[in-house]
Amino acid sequence: QVQLQESGPGLVKPSQTLSLTCTVSGGSISSGSYYWSWIRQPAGKGLEWIGRIYTSGSTNYNPSLKSRVTISVDTSKNQFSLKLSSVTAADTAVYYCASERNIRHWFDPWGQGTLVTVSS
Amino acid sequence: DIQMTQSPSSLSASVGDRVTITCRASQSISSYLNWYQQKPGKAPKLLIYAASSLQSGVPSRFSGSGSGTDFTLTISSLQPEDFATYYCQQSYSTPHTFGQGTRLEIK
Repeated sequence: QVQLQESGPGLVKPSQTLSLTCTVSGGSISSGSYYWSWIRQPAGKGLEWIGRIYTSGSTNYNPSLKSRVTISVDTSKNQFSLKLSSVTAADTAVYYCASERNIRHWFDPWGQGTLVTVSS
Repeated sequence: DIQMTQSPSSLSASVGDRVTITCRASQSISSYLNWYQQKPGKAPKLLIYAASSLQSGVPSRFSGSGSGTDFTLTISSLQPEDFATYYCQQSYSTPHTFGQGTRLEIK
């Protein structure tokens, strides 16, 4: 059973770069059956897909964030990472990592989520 | 981007009720539609994928239907643990987009 766990700083200053890592256990991140995605949710609001990476390193980003987002993968550590630059208070949210089935593209499972607050 | 619109935004119901939540896509998405349940402080949980396929381990009182632009999630007999927020998500194209959510509350 694949499990995902987010990690990273819970507080980031405005204009700096948010960096999070998702560790995959119980399965290989190199499996061709999945993409690896990041999704966020501001408090009391809905879900926003940030982007995804395939084991090959191929990425897709949400156009609304594309200029600020980088997703990378480290197959040796079974991890993938998110970097979001030039953050503002609007980037304060719970950030989830999730596996995205490469057919039909549903998200399952999800990590538990990590709250990132942007504040000075 | 494909816009997903859920209705209603909130709903009050009683244990044992049959409940239907609707999701409409701004363009045809075939059956590339998934449903999630989210409880406070928890990650979303996949309930239904490909519009009508029940995820393993999900109770059979949950069902999904629809194709094209109009979809429904039905809970046949509400249980206390079903009170939560429900989201639809289109996986037809990127960026993947979610509905705004339907909050299901106890009457």
